Amino acid sequence: DAGVTQSPTHLIKTRGQQVTLRCSPKSGHDTVSWYQQALGQGPQFIFQYYEEEERQRGNFPDRFSGHQFPNYSSELNVNALLLGDSALYLCASSLELNSPIYEQYFGPGTRLTVT
Amino acid sequence: AQTVTQSQPEMSVQEAETVTLSCTYDTSESDYYLFWYKQPPSRQMILVIRQEAYKQQNATENRFSVNFQKAAKSFSLKISDSQLGDAAMYFCAYRSAEDSNYQLIWGAGTKLIIKP
Repeated sequence: DAGVTQSPTHLIKTRGQQVTLRCSPKSGHDTVSWYQQALGQGPQFIFQYYEEEERQRGNFPDRFSGHQFPNYSSELNVNALLLGDSALYLCASSLELNSPIYEQYFGPGTRLTVT
Repeated sequence: AQTVTQSQPEMSVQEAETVTLSCTYDTSESDYYLFWYKQPPSRQMILVIRQEAYKQQNATENRFSVNFQKAAKSFSLKISDSQLGDAAMYFCAYRSAEDSNYQLIWGAGTKLIIKP
């Protein structure tokens, strides 16, 4: 049973650049959430995708955007990178049928460093 | 807006002993879910235990149990017979049971150190 996978593992970018992070959900899951975890802090919710639509968004600027594909995999895009975007980006998947619990399974994360 | 507070940045416990991690939350909602997640060093977040607010009975998963005090808005995690593999960051998280509200709201975490 394949768990949540994310790529790449690590990424170094320069201020002003754009980055795309990828996530494949756990087998059978149809919902993907993205979180940003700054060093030494708890994760913060960026947004959630279901049926290829963003259905909830946290307090993040429009520089953060995403996409969900028909196979349920997802991308997180960040434009005009700032130093403050340096963080661990976590992807979590869940199954809509498991509502209302929506137990989330997490990937290993992508460590983004902006210089 | 809901908030989650973990007041213990770091806790240590002797192997085989019992430790309790604290979590308090603030909400005006009556129905919600609470979770404890474990994040080992350089490894992915794993769900340890969950509690539905409408259930009075405290959740238990093997050596892990919670003390859920709804009126006090407290949700502590007790780890019995601590093992070296329990060393990790532990995060408390809250999720509303309202329709169309899917986000997890997290505390800042508690680093658990196990002394051999």
